[in-house]
Amino acid sequence: GAGVSQSPRYKVAKRGQDVALRCDPISGHVSLFWYQQALGQGPEFLTYFQNEAQLDKSGLPSDRFFAERPEGSVSTLKIQRTQQEDSAVYLCASSLKWDTPLGGYTFGSGTRLTVV
Amino acid sequence: DQQVKQNSPSLSVQEGRISILNCDYTNSMFDYFLWYKKYPAEGPTFLISISSIKDKNEDGRFTVFLNKSAKHLSLHIVPSQPGDSAVYFCAVLNSGNTPLVFGKGTRLSVIA
Repeated sequence: GAGVSQSPRYKVAKRGQDVALRCDPISGHVSLFWYQQALGQGPEFLTYFQNEAQLDKSGLPSDRFFAERPEGSVSTLKIQRTQQEDSAVYLCASSLKWDTPLGGYTFGSGTRLTVV
Repeated sequence: DQQVKQNSPSLSVQEGRISILNCDYTNSMFDYFLWYKKYPAEGPTFLISISSIKDKNEDGRFTVFLNKSAKHLSLHIVPSQPGDSAVYFCAVLNSGNTPLVFGKGTRLSVIA
């Protein structure tokens, strides 16, 4: 597709429920990033893939968070046993390759997760 | 500890005037500096960037200034238009394998 596509756009989960958020990056983009944006804050880094390899997961807030990109294209961010503090917009971004910093990343519209 | 600070949560400017958005960073090792714009219910959109070897980059109505000694970055928009009303994020990057680090954003309102 022309842009980064994320689904669902909105997700309401009961506390304790597991959720899975999907990201379809731009075709051919090697690098894929997940960010978490809480209300009134800037996006905060969660994890990064280069093709199927997860090169950095230092931003994942707990072991309840898990991300994968098994074939180097679509990625899924899974949150187990959701808590209220997980409520945020989850943004996915992709870029053609790592070393194109001045062009920035292309972000999707995000998934707004609300845990009740 | 915040590596990127945008100390003004909001800014209001009249249409046609200059908008100046500011950003301070703590680490002198950052190599690249970017500005993103975000409308409600959309993801951030890349706007303009500058590398640490330059002190100014201009693209149409948007100019980014970098003052390395002060660890300060600014975005100038002139003339400001109502469609520029959005949240603007400053982001920084090392040349190594590190991700973009964002500030908290400044909400710009351009009043007609």
